[in-house]
Amino acid sequence: GENVEQHPSTLSVQEGDSAVIKCTYSDSASNYFPWYKQELGKGPQLIIDIRSNVGEKKDQRIAVTLNKTAKHFSLHITETQPEDSAVYFCAAGLTGGGNKLTFGTGTQLKVEL
Amino acid sequence: GAVVSQHPSRVICKSGTSVKIECRSLDFQATTMFWYRQFPKQSLMLMATSNEGSKATYEQGVEKDKFLINHASLTLSTLTVTSAHPEDSSFYICSATPGLAGSDTQYFGPGTRLTVL
Repeated sequence: GENVEQHPSTLSVQEGDSAVIKCTYSDSASNYFPWYKQELGKGPQLIIDIRSNVGEKKDQRIAVTLNKTAKHFSLHITETQPEDSAVYFCAAGLTGGGNKLTFGTGTQLKVEL
Repeated sequence: GAVVSQHPSRVICKSGTSVKIECRSLDFQATTMFWYRQFPKQSLMLMATSNEGSKATYEQGVEKDKFLINHASLTLSTLTVTSAHPEDSSFYICSATPGLAGSDTQYFGPGTRLTVL
């Protein structure tokens, strides 16, 4: 089955700096890679996703890059703000709504003033 | 759009009792719903995949007789924790995917905090 590794487990940045979280996956068949943000005591919220037919996707301050050959993908947050502080999870799976996702272990991001 | 609700948000029960958690897709029809559990400071662990009108598919190590899943309609799935014990205390989260071609996104509910005394 799929195995997703995520690094770092904790990340502390100054407000305004950039944050990068990296994930690797094991199953070359995986072609769908979402990123979720989870605040304490709440369910995860999708922030961005990428499919394997593209190498990069951007949405305002958030971007995701995908390297299919190396089987890794990364989340980039620019101009970080205190409200970006949360746990971020990457996931990997197959396109198609009925297909399950395998989640990474999470990254606790703290944006300090 | 794409809102998923869960009820209750928090439940405390005595050991040996059963607890039912509801997951609803409020503004879309969900052909597939997923149930996860999450322990403190850990990742989401998939428990089962539920398709409307059919039996749920459980992940390895998840007892199907203990965690009963029913997906009776396109907007409602329920998880019943039977004969709950303290080790079942956890954060249970559901997700749902719209029944649209090419729609991969899982929309998550807000979670249910279960505490078994």
